[in-house]
Parts: sequence; C-alpha cells; structure tokens
Amino acid sequence: AQKITQTQPGMFVQEKEAVTLDCTYDTSDPSYGLFWYKQPSSGEMIFLIYQGSYDQQNATEGRYSLNFQKARKSANLVISASQLGDSAMYFCAMRETGGGNKLTFGTGTQLKVEL
Amino acid sequence: NAGVTQTPKFQVLKTGQSMTLQCAQDMNHEYMSWYRQDPGMGLRLIHYSVGAGITDQGEVPNGYNVSRSTTEDFPLRLLSAAPSQTSVYFCASSWGRLGGYTFGSGTRLTVV
Repeated sequence: AQKITQTQPGMFVQEKEAVTLDCTYDTSDPSYGLFWYKQPSSGEMIFLIYQGSYDQQNATEGRYSLNFQKARKSANLVISASQLGDSAMYFCAMRETGGGNKLTFGTGTQLKVEL
Repeated sequence: NAGVTQTPKFQVLKTGQSMTLQCAQDMNHEYMSWYRQDPGMGLRLIHYSVGAGITDQGEVPNGYNVSRSTTEDFPLRLLSAAPSQTSVYFCASSWGRLGGYTFGSGTRLTVV
C-alpha cells in the first residue's frame, strides 16, 4: 500500500488566490513527521513545512500552512496569496520513527499559477 | 556552510560502465539517504544510513552499492550501468529521528 498519496497530478490557481494541495498518508507508527517540499523547474528540493504527529496545532510558515487532520490521516498544504514563483512541483513526505527513520515521498502535484 | 554537496552534476555513461556518485555533508548529520527521481514516480529511496558504518536498503536498491565510512561522506556506486538507471539522483542528510532532510542539488545521469 502507498504510504503517501497525492491524488492531484496537476493543479491550476490564479495569482493571489489560495490553493490546497492534498496529501493522505498511511502509518501505524504513533510517532511520525510530515513534510512538504517544493521543487521548481531548476530541480532543487526546497523544504517548506513540517508537522509532527503529536503537534496540537497546525504548522504555519509564512504563506504556507499545513491542514493536519490526524484521524483522517491527511496533511494538506495550503498556499495563500499565490504568486507566479509558486509554480513548481510539490511533494508530500512522511518520516516514521520505526524502520530506520526513512523519508517516504508521494508522487507529487504540479502547480501552475496563472495571471 | 556548504550543506549537502553532490558531484558530478551531470554524467553520461555507457551501458556496463561503473561509477561513483559522491555525496558529502558538513552538518554532522547522522542520517543520509540516496534517492532517484523519475517522471511521475516521485522520489524513491535507494539506500540509506543511520550513522557511520551502518547502511540499509531502501525501495529500489538493485544495481547500487553504498558505504558510510565517515559521518560526512555517503558515496553511491553503480556497479554496471544500465539504461534503466537513467535518472536524477539526490543525496540528502538529516539530524535526529524526525528532523527534516536537506537535499543536495542532484546528479542527472544518462546511461546510453
């Protein structure tokens, strides 16, 4: 079974609008971390935001917030006030404390911000 | 502070050749990993290490070897290159058990 599922291969959003990128995960480990990375066309992997499984509040970093719904096993990324520079591939990832603390990625969502 | 340094950035190999992708980090991170990225498949884990002298296989280890003789270095060896190993390779390192990973800039490998 897929540990990380991103069901939106591609998304469009208008500049200055908010957009939500979906991510669901599967784990039986009670202690885990959830991450979002951005990969622009230049290819580098840029860390955006982190949510721990025991964190009570949703993580926020500037225009990025993580909508963490533990019971539903979802960790959606919300980007507010989209900018042209937000056009990129976005990856959701999970790290479990068991099994070597590996970081497992979803297949990504390609976001295109339009004028 | 260089972070995670990968060399080379680009490489073309002939089928059957061997080579080593280099990865070094200067952050004293315990955890290091190698991923390959192929279109539509995200990043898949090849091998990882939880400390010097300790390595383990990830999701797609066949055709690759690793070693971790020092905390800083985690080279990835392609034993006999095949066209299926054409990909972009990322090395990453992390502190702690649930810390975020810092990625290198990647190596684009083409096997002809």
